[in-house]
Amino acid sequence: AQSVAQPEDQVNVAEGNPLTVKCTYSVSGNPYLFWYVQYPNRGLQFLLKYITGDNLVKGSYGFEAEFNKSQTSFHLKKPSALVSDSALYFCAVRGGNTGFQKLVFGTGTRLLVSP
Amino acid sequence: EADIYQTPRYLVIGTGKKITLECSQTMGHDKMYWYQQDPGMELHLIHYSYGVNSTEKGDLSSESTVSRIRTEHFPLTLESARPSHTSQYLCASSGGVVGRATTDTQYFGPGTRLTVL
Repeated sequence: AQSVAQPEDQVNVAEGNPLTVKCTYSVSGNPYLFWYVQYPNRGLQFLLKYITGDNLVKGSYGFEAEFNKSQTSFHLKKPSALVSDSALYFCAVRGGNTGFQKLVFGTGTRLLVSP
Repeated sequence: EADIYQTPRYLVIGTGKKITLECSQTMGHDKMYWYQQDPGMELHLIHYSYGVNSTEKGDLSSESTVSRIRTEHFPLTLESARPSHTSQYLCASSGGVVGRATTDTQYFGPGTRLTVL
């Protein structure tokens, strides 16, 4: 069965500092990995995904994520945090096999960027 | 922002009322989904659809029902709303062809926040 773990309920970082939001996964076969961001009273916005290829994936708003197969991790990173990055972040995984594969979401990590 | 729409955005109703939450997408996606999310909490898949005339129940048991008569439209109905149905409901869609491996990135609507008194 597929699963995603986001070990931190909340991450606090000062504006201008680098940020990391952690995600580990478990899936049969090759993983398709996603990060989404959710602002208050809004739906989820797609940030980036890893399917295959380069382990470092670049996405929207200056975010990037590094796929590490040996550690089964897909941590979200940004070199310099902005106050406007404060939101709820979800990691998600699905299997890469043919046929319909449901997307499994983590429990979310709240990012708080202080001025 | 993806072209997926949900109405109403907010709904406050009394117990026992029948309600329909609307979801439409203009991207021609074949797959659509409904998730239930309590505030600041994880998402739970309650319904999904492969395409027209196809609907399946998700991981979380729900008293709601869905229909998929048109590709772009995936409404969710509660026949008799109860306070336990109070939650945020998120609709999503993704492209790709059934039976082929695709990236199937899901794009979400803005959500409907339902409060049942």
